Amino acid sequence: DTAVSQTPKYLVTQMGNDKSIKCEQNLGHDTMYWYKQDSKKFLKIMFSYNNKELIINETVPNRFSPKSPDKAHLNLHINSLELGDSAVYFCASRNQGTNTGELFFGEGSRLTVL
Amino acid sequence: GNSVTQMEGPVTLSEEAFLTINCTYTATGYPSLFWYVQYPGEGLQLLLKATKADDKGSNKGFEATYRKETTSFHLEKGSVQVSDSAVYFCALSDNFGNEKLTFGTGTRLTIIP
Repeated sequence: DTAVSQTPKYLVTQMGNDKSIKCEQNLGHDTMYWYKQDSKKFLKIMFSYNNKELIINETVPNRFSPKSPDKAHLNLHINSLELGDSAVYFCASRNQGTNTGELFFGEGSRLTVL
Repeated sequence: GNSVTQMEGPVTLSEEAFLTINCTYTATGYPSLFWYVQYPGEGLQLLLKATKADDKGSNKGFEATYRKETTSFHLEKGSVQVSDSAVYFCALSDNFGNEKLTFGTGTRLTIIP
């Protein structure tokens, strides 16, 4: 069983389109994240949700809108896609109470904007 | 703010060579420190961690010691294998409850037979 699963794994689209990436975790964790990894492998946090509430928003353009329908899901919707949005997007999860800092990552969703 | 600095890659070594990947950090308080590994086509996974000064994290032959005096957490392995080829990320969590890991830029390691 995949612990943190993301769909789709690959997404190729045109500039200006709107797209979504979905994430689900079956670990029973209460906190979920979206990270963006650019072409140089640099990882930067975008959002974090705890029990469906937004707790971290790292100066991400408001074209990016996360949605957490329940604590096992955190979806990322991107409006008006731009070339610079091309990256690999990683979902991750953890339990806030464990305080170990360990995140469990999905396999990533590679977004290519043409 | 918090930051993590890793040695620039890529690093290419022969099998059975000794590996060191340097990592230094800047943080307030007493962070927890981590090494994550990303194998080709996969997500990141935790390799090892240390939560207080002088702790040594170890896993799969890799080790790193939390050095508060030098604010470092260098990754070492005595004899690398081809299967160790991956991108390695140093990271810290400031333990202030903001649930955020700050990552270094990653170091790509390639081991040649």
